[in-house]
Formats: sequence, C-alpha cells, structure tokens
Amino acid sequence: VQLVESGGGVVQPGRSLRLSCATSDFMFSAYTMHWIRQAPGKGLEWVAGVSNDGATQNYSNSVRGRFAISRDNPNKNLYLYMNDPRPEDTAVYYCATCLMWSGDWFPLDYWGQGALVSVSS
Amino acid sequence: EILLTQSPGTLSLSPGETATLSCRASQSVSNNLAWYQQKPGQAPRLLIYAASRRTNGIPHRFSGSGSGTDFTLTINRLEPEDFAVFYCQQYGGSPYTFGLGTKVQIK
Repeated sequence: VQLVESGGGVVQPGRSLRLSCATSDFMFSAYTMHWIRQAPGKGLEWVAGVSNDGATQNYSNSVRGRFAISRDNPNKNLYLYMNDPRPEDTAVYYCATCLMWSGDWFPLDYWGQGALVSVSS
Repeated sequence: EILLTQSPGTLSLSPGETATLSCRASQSVSNNLAWYQQKPGQAPRLLIYAASRRTNGIPHRFSGSGSGTDFTLTINRLEPEDFAVFYCQQYGGSPYTFGLGTKVQIK
C-alpha cells in the first residue's frame, strides 16, 4: 500500500493550490479517503474526508467553504483543492485511509508521508 | 464539535515503567475512539481502534480502555522505541477531532 502526496510548496494568501495523493496496491475505489494536517510543532487536525464513490464529503469547521476534497477513482488519486488559503493553513498535509473495512470512514490505518504547504506572502 | 482533552501534556518515564494516558471527550463518542503514535519526522501510526482493539502488529504492551467520554491508553513496560507523542481521535461524529497529544519522554 502506497500513499504519496504531492503539490505542496509556498502559496500566497488568497491564491489557490491543489494537493494530490497518488495511491497504489489497494482497490482505491472501495475505500474512503481523508486529508489530515499538522501545523509546525503542533498536533493533528482532521481536514476533510470523502466516501469511496465520491458522493459524500465532510469538512472540518476551519476549512469548510474554502477547501474541496475530491477523488479520481479510475486513476486512484485523491485531491485537496485549497481555495483562499490563509497563513494558519500552513502545515504538513497527510492523506490517509481506512483499509480495515470497505466503505468505513475510520480508523486511519494507512498514511502517506505528507506534503508541506506554506501560506505566505 | 466534540473536543478531546488529553492529559497529561507530557509524561516523563524510564524504560520498563508503565505509561497511563488519558483522553476525555466533551460528549459521548461511544467506543469510536482511536489512538495513534507519532515519532519525529514520521506519519502517525494507528495503535488502537474502537477504544480497545489493537491493530495488527502492535505489541501487546499497548492496551486501550474506556467508552463514552473517558478513555485510557496504557503502555506496560515501556521500551526505548515507545517514546513518542500519542494522539486520540474520535470518530463518533463529524468533524472528527484529535486531541492535542501526550508526549511520552525519557526521564
């Protein structure tokens, strides 16, 4: 099982950024997917999750209305569209999944290594 | 939003001792609680789910207990590789929140 994030970097406040998570070695379309972030020196924050078919999305209160999670099942990729990013969105962003049971949202038993996003002018 | 309060913030122990970590939820999450271990520069690793079920490959010295609002992670006979930060996460209701973590450090 591999989860590999990409698309991180420095972005100016208010500019958009798209994070990607490329996956392999599991039946991507059968499992929910999530983004979790960790600000420098801080704890973990669940950001967003999407159902296996992409029909249901959930968001944290801090990103709802600004970020969008989506998935491309044929190509086994997960995305996070970060619109109107703010300095407080600076963090390492992890993609993660629950492979214990198809369709279940939690717990998160597989994680990527993360991608750093810095929001700064 | 369900708030998770972890205590203590830092625990200083010696190898061979027992660590007892607490996680308290602001409202009941039933048994929908997981514990993760994170070492510096690494992604979190799932230890315990459904409050008390150990993930495959996790040593038996790790155990979880509790339900409703009060949960405990116990690490018996600490090994050198156990020193890390531990987070609880509730998945009883969205948004699915984490606690702020407990750092278990070598005394």
